[in-house]
This record gives sequence, C-alpha cells and structure tokens, in this order.
Amino acid sequence: DQQVKQNSPSLSVQEGRISILNCDYTNSMFDYFLWYKKYPAEGPTFLISISSIKDKNEDGRFTVFLNKSAKHLSLHIVPSQPGDSAVYFCAAKGGATSGTYKYIFGTGTRLKVLA
Amino acid sequence: AAGVIQSPRHLIKEKRETATLKCYPIPRHDTVYWYQQGPGQDPQFLISFYEKMQSDKGSIPDRFSAQQFSDYHSELNMSSLELGDSALYFCASSPGGLEEQYFGPGTRLTVT
Repeated sequence: DQQVKQNSPSLSVQEGRISILNCDYTNSMFDYFLWYKKYPAEGPTFLISISSIKDKNEDGRFTVFLNKSAKHLSLHIVPSQPGDSAVYFCAAKGGATSGTYKYIFGTGTRLKVLA
Repeated sequence: AAGVIQSPRHLIKEKRETATLKCYPIPRHDTVYWYQQGPGQDPQFLISFYEKMQSDKGSIPDRFSAQQFSDYHSELNMSSLELGDSALYFCASSPGGLEEQYFGPGTRLTVT
C-alpha cells in the first residue's frame, strides 16, 4: 500500500524550460512534505519543504505547491539546468498527532535535463 | 558544515553472516533514522531513535536490531544475512524529529 506515489518514473525536459514533478498521497494525517534530490550512490539531499498549513513555498528556482483537497503536491524547477538531472523523491511526514515522525517516500522520478 | 557520517561505505558479506552499520549524526541532532533502499526502489523506513530511545519502527526484520548510544551515534546490527538484504542503507538525523532529515551517504551492503 503505497501512501506516497510518484506516477511518472521519468521526465525529460529541455534546458531552460520548466520541470514539473508530481506527487500524490493518500494519508490525510501527513502534515509536512519534502522533496529530496538523489544522485547515484549518494544519500538524498533535502531540496525544499512545505507544511500542510501552506499551499506554496518558494526557494530560488524551486517551488513546491500543495493541494490538500486533492492530496497532491508538485515541484516546479524553473529554469531547469543540466545539473538538476537526478532522481527526485517526495516524502511525507506524519505530525505529532499521528505519533510518528518517519518519512514515507514516493517511488521517485528520474529527471533528465537536456542541454 | 558537518554532515551525517556512515561507516563503512561499502560492505560485502556472505549469507548467514552478521553486519554492523554505524551512523554518526550531525552534532546536536538527537534523532536518528534508518532507511533501506533496494535496487530501483524508494527508501523504506526501518527504525528511529530519539534521545537514545526507540521512537518509531517500520519494516525492520526481526533479524535486525539497532540502538542509539550516549553520544547519539547509532548502530544497525544485521544477523543471518540474506541475499535480499543487499541494499543501500541510509541513516538520517534531525534535531528533535521535527525538522527536515539530513541523510548520510549510505552504506552499500552486498550479500553474496
């Protein structure tokens, strides 16, 4: 039972254009969401997060949008750069009321930015 | 800035052997998490510790055990290794479990 889903296993985008990575979740108890970037043989690197009380968070070229009613979040990268090529994981965390702080990861989307 | 340190980075063991993975969290981080990532899979949460006490448990097999020590480093002990245990094992740390988790580089375990 995958509580966090990334339905696109891969995505190719031209350099300079927008990359949009999507993530859906099923558990309404999740109250904190994150995007991680992962290169081969390295640990995930934190990119950007969003609390469930917000619907948008922006950090430089990265913007995360949260639609709680649809249980959907997305990561926008503008403009995309070849160095952004990596696997992107979204992760969700249950808050204090759920009694757990562990992350549930999505299955990842491999982004390839073409020069 | 100091990051999460994991050792060893690579480990090769035979079936039925034991393995111990170590994790040194970022200074002043009191919470440690262990994740297992199989080939082509997403990271799966195994277990976490807060202030040296187990705080959460995920899909950790009974053959595995873990603990957090007084200096906040953590060790994951794996016994009776099976071929399916071959994976990347990540440790992450956070201050109090309320913030983003910062991941180490992982230990690649290969069971032959």
